[in-house]
Amino acid sequence: AQTVTQSQPEMSVQEAETVTLSCTYDTSESNYYLFWYKQPPSRQMILVIRQEAYKQQNATENRFSVNFQKAAKSFSLKISDSQLGDTAMYFCAFMKHGGDYKLSFGAGTTVTVRA
Amino acid sequence: DTAVSQTPKYLVTQMGNDKSIKCEQNLGHDTMYWYKQDSKKFLKIMFSYNNKELIINETVPNRFSPKSPDKAHLNLHINSLELGDSAVYFCASTDRGLETQYFGPGTRLLVL
Repeated sequence: AQTVTQSQPEMSVQEAETVTLSCTYDTSESNYYLFWYKQPPSRQMILVIRQEAYKQQNATENRFSVNFQKAAKSFSLKISDSQLGDTAMYFCAFMKHGGDYKLSFGAGTTVTVRA
Repeated sequence: DTAVSQTPKYLVTQMGNDKSIKCEQNLGHDTMYWYKQDSKKFLKIMFSYNNKELIINETVPNRFSPKSPDKAHLNLHINSLELGDSAVYFCASTDRGLETQYFGPGTRLLVL
């Protein structure tokens, strides 16, 4: 079974600053996918970014980027130029390729952006 | 247009009752899921259906029964509700080959 660990329960960042959320995972699979989902107070689960394990290049989506270190089994999320709307809980998730396509989630990190 | 919708959004009920949550997706996806988010916000897979066939059934009490009348719908029926069933239930869908799952807005269930 895969486990996903988010070691930071809460983080706070000043508006326009940068914050980095950590995620590590444990797997024996060589091909898999990693995701970051955002859950604002509205409760909706929103995909932020995804990374395919076979791609060496780190994924980027506007102000969101990841640092994927396959050997270290690490997948951190960087939020640049933080905005008040980024306030949310962020979940790291793992899915193995070609399996049952289920997501295994970390415990989440609550990010608060201060004005 | 809502891609993945769930009804109801809120459900308050008494212990011992039976209730259902409905999910519909208009994305043309072939795989649908139910996840449970507990009071500590931890998310865990419950069930998955691919083209109306059950493919995942994680250690869930048999009081929970999913039903998929067609590949656009996945409903969750819960019998004999217990206090511990209080949670937010999320439906999600994907296409095999896309991998990315799209979530519904969640149903907050409160059992009194």
